[in-house]
Amino acid sequence: EDKVVQSPLSLVVHEGDTVTLNCSYEVTNFRSLLWYKQEKKAPTFLFMLTSSGIEKKSGRLSSILDKKELSSILNITATQTGDSAIYLCAVDPTSGTYKYIFGTGTRLKVLA
Amino acid sequence: DTAVSQTPKYLVTQMGNDKSIKCEQNLGHDTMYWYKQDSKKFLKIMFSYNNKELIINETVPNRFSPKSPDKAHLNLHINSLELGDSAVYFCASSGGLAGMGNYEQYFGPGTRLTVT
Repeated sequence: EDKVVQSPLSLVVHEGDTVTLNCSYEVTNFRSLLWYKQEKKAPTFLFMLTSSGIEKKSGRLSSILDKKELSSILNITATQTGDSAIYLCAVDPTSGTYKYIFGTGTRLKVLA
Repeated sequence: DTAVSQTPKYLVTQMGNDKSIKCEQNLGHDTMYWYKQDSKKFLKIMFSYNNKELIINETVPNRFSPKSPDKAHLNLHINSLELGDSAVYFCASSGGLAGMGNYEQYFGPGTRLTVT
């Protein structure tokens, strides 16, 4: 069964810290991995990763895929209180089911 | 301009009632979805439509019925509401079906349904 696991489940840090969130997957085939940030409302799209070793970057956020390890990390440097959110990872397993498999998310809280 | 919009944002209703949630996207996408997010924030796919055709129908009670009048709209009708239906329902859209290309998925703001 296709599965996406995120770790840690929750994390509390102080402003200025750097955090690394993990997403591991076990899927039939792999097409892409997506990261989302969910604050109080809808998940907002951050990155799509399709190739191993190519870093995607947006401001203080960056992400990279490791197809050998079946995983991805999302890094946030110099965290701010506005980074507090749930970070969701989703994988397109290309299994003919036409659906993305979501992880349970990592809840990040950044303290001032 | 809002890319994916849903109405209403909040819905409080009593058990046994019937209610509808509407979704519209102005991204020109072919594929639309309904997700249910429970209190633990887990996103569970319910339905997806591609070019108005039902593609995914997960194990959802048949009290839930989606309708896609055109590619830009996907509505969700729920009959005989139960306490367990309380959740946040998200509509989403993407350029195509998962597995058929590298498509980003965009979510609406969600509808918080509370059944009392």
